[in-house]
Amino acid sequence: SQTIHQWPATLVQPVGSPLSLECTVEGTSNPNLYWYRQAAGRGLQLLFYSVGIGQISSEVPQNLSASRPQDRQFILSSKKLLLSDSGFYLCAWSVPRQGFTYGYTFGSGTRLTVV
Amino acid sequence: QQQVKQSPQSLIVQKGGISIINCAYENTAFDYFPWYQQFPGKGPALLIAIRPDVSEKKEGRFTISFNKSAKQFSLHIMDSQPGDSATYFCAARYAGNTGKLIFGQGTTLQVKP
Repeated sequence: SQTIHQWPATLVQPVGSPLSLECTVEGTSNPNLYWYRQAAGRGLQLLFYSVGIGQISSEVPQNLSASRPQDRQFILSSKKLLLSDSGFYLCAWSVPRQGFTYGYTFGSGTRLTVV
Repeated sequence: QQQVKQSPQSLIVQKGGISIINCAYENTAFDYFPWYQQFPGKGPALLIAIRPDVSEKKEGRFTISFNKSAKQFSLHIMDSQPGDSATYFCAARYAGNTGKLIFGQGTTLQVKP
């Protein structure tokens, strides 16, 4: 069965510090991977998605970047955090197949508080 | 530009009542419309989904109604229970291999015992 791991679960970081959040998927190959952010009491905003190793598409210009060094690994980074980067970060995956995508499962999320 | 609009923002229903959440979309490039349920501190979990060639889908107490011409779809929760208290998100998926999902703003449902 497919599973998605996301860590850490919570993180408190000072303004100006770097960030690295990691997401890994098990049980599937060549998945599409996604990073979402959920601000307090708000909806889910798509930040980045990747359809393959090294292929990153950015949806919203901002202080964050993403990388996919391995097929089932997706990393969200920042060189210098801003207060506005606080939120609940969620990784998700889906499987592309014959012009469609299947599944779409979220990880358990990382609660980031920038102080 | 908000491509998926969801209402209401919050909803209070008595136990046993019907909860109704509505969504409207603007882009005709969407090919799949899921609903997600999220409990505090957890990631969203798929609840039920529908394709645009179907007008209604029912799974247990949960029903999606879909109106393609009006670009609207709704979630009905029958016999609402306190355990249904959560935040619900509608979403729309772009057709093709990227599978991008665009979410509504969410509805916080409280079911009173």
